[in-house]
Amino acid sequence: EADIYQTPRYLVIGTGKKITLECSQTMGHDKMYWYQQDPGMELHLIHYSYGVNSTEKGDLSSESTVSRIRTEHFPLTLESARPSHTSQYLCASSEYGENNYGYTFGSGTRLTVV
Amino acid sequence: AQSVAQPEDQVNVAEGNPLTVKCTYSVSGNPYLFWYVQYPNRGLQFLLKYITGDNLVKGSYGFEAEFNKSQTSFHLKKPSALVSDSALYFCAVRDNGAGNMLTFGGGTRLMVKP
Repeated sequence: EADIYQTPRYLVIGTGKKITLECSQTMGHDKMYWYQQDPGMELHLIHYSYGVNSTEKGDLSSESTVSRIRTEHFPLTLESARPSHTSQYLCASSEYGENNYGYTFGSGTRLTVV
Repeated sequence: AQSVAQPEDQVNVAEGNPLTVKCTYSVSGNPYLFWYVQYPNRGLQFLLKYITGDNLVKGSYGFEAEFNKSQTSFHLKKPSALVSDSALYFCAVRDNGAGNMLTFGGGTRLMVKP
């Protein structure tokens, strides 16, 4: 069973709207990540965090922002959604240090901007 | 910097036949290698990992992977494919620096036909 939860699973929203994609994990992992993935395509890292009050931009430029006020919570916000933001967004977490034996992924949020 | 290559966008195999999904990597230091599977509209699920020890690693759903240091490869294998194995497969290598982040390959779509 996954211990990382993403809501909503599906979202259809109009252009210009502000949206927040939620991601929470119950494993106490320090590190969390957001990936953007078009259907059947490669993963693109857009944000990551090493812990509370730590956020970094990933390899792919994104108009989204993230926050990490609590260890378990890593929401992603789009201030003004555009059709180009239509994609799947995957959240993941991992332990810090030598015990980092991979990531645990959430089920994803499929976003459609119309 | 580390990198992962999955040279095949798609692999087609008949049900009951053996399958191989290829992965090569580049990393400084000891490689920590992973395979993940993604079913439609889902996040990535962990299949198996190589940290150290036996070059043949067994994982979930009957999959195994062979670590070959001289060829810098970590190919995913299964002796007898099932239609339900059809999915997107990602290989990943861990950064041995302070970040311990995973670098993912571009993914390989496995199609198992009845």
